Amino acid sequence: KQEVTQIPAALSVPEGENLVLNCSFTDSAIYNLQWFRQDPGKGLTSLLLIQSSQREQTSGRLNASLDKSSGRSTLYIAASQPGDSATYLCAVEDYKLSFGAGTTVTVRA
Amino acid sequence: EAGVTQSPTHLIKTRGQQATLRCSPISGHTSVYWYQQALGLGLQFLLWYDEGEERNRGNFPPRFSGRQFPNYSSELNVNALELEDSALYLCASSSGSTGTSGTNEKLFFGSGTQLSVL
Repeated sequence: KQEVTQIPAALSVPEGENLVLNCSFTDSAIYNLQWFRQDPGKGLTSLLLIQSSQREQTSGRLNASLDKSSGRSTLYIAASQPGDSATYLCAVEDYKLSFGAGTTVTVRA
Repeated sequence: EAGVTQSPTHLIKTRGQQATLRCSPISGHTSVYWYQQALGLGLQFLLWYDEGEERNRGNFPPRFSGRQFPNYSSELNVNALELEDSALYLCASSSGSTGTSGTNEKLFFGSGTQLSVL
């Protein structure tokens, strides 16, 4: 059974600091890994999708890496802004999408 | 382009009742996924429908069921509601290929239905 773990559970940083969010998974036989953002009481917004054959994906200030063999992914958010405050979830797809519990980020102005 | 829409936004039921939640995928998407997000817990996979067929099911009792209609919209039905069914139910869609997982297609989520069981 695939288990996805996200560390830390919560993170508070001053505006402008870079964010590093970690995700680990137990079964490396995945098709892809996705990072999502969730605002309170809302649905999820897909940020990045990394296919199993890829090592990283970038979108604007966001960069996600994938090391499938070690079962790890890292999401980097450069120059954080208060609008980045949200819960960030990673999910791995094998025969279904399995989610981590998320990292709740607070960016202080 | 309209995103994934879910209705109702909020639903209040009492124990033992039935709840019906609805989801309309993005136009052109054939796959619909249902997830449960209970307070303090991560997203738990419920059901995956593609081309009108149930493709996969999470570890939930049979009183959780659903269907997908010819227009690819979907319903989630929860029978004999229990207090612990209170949660945010999220629907997602993708343009995944029929009969496969690992489509490498992004999932697009709706805003969810908040179900409260009293």
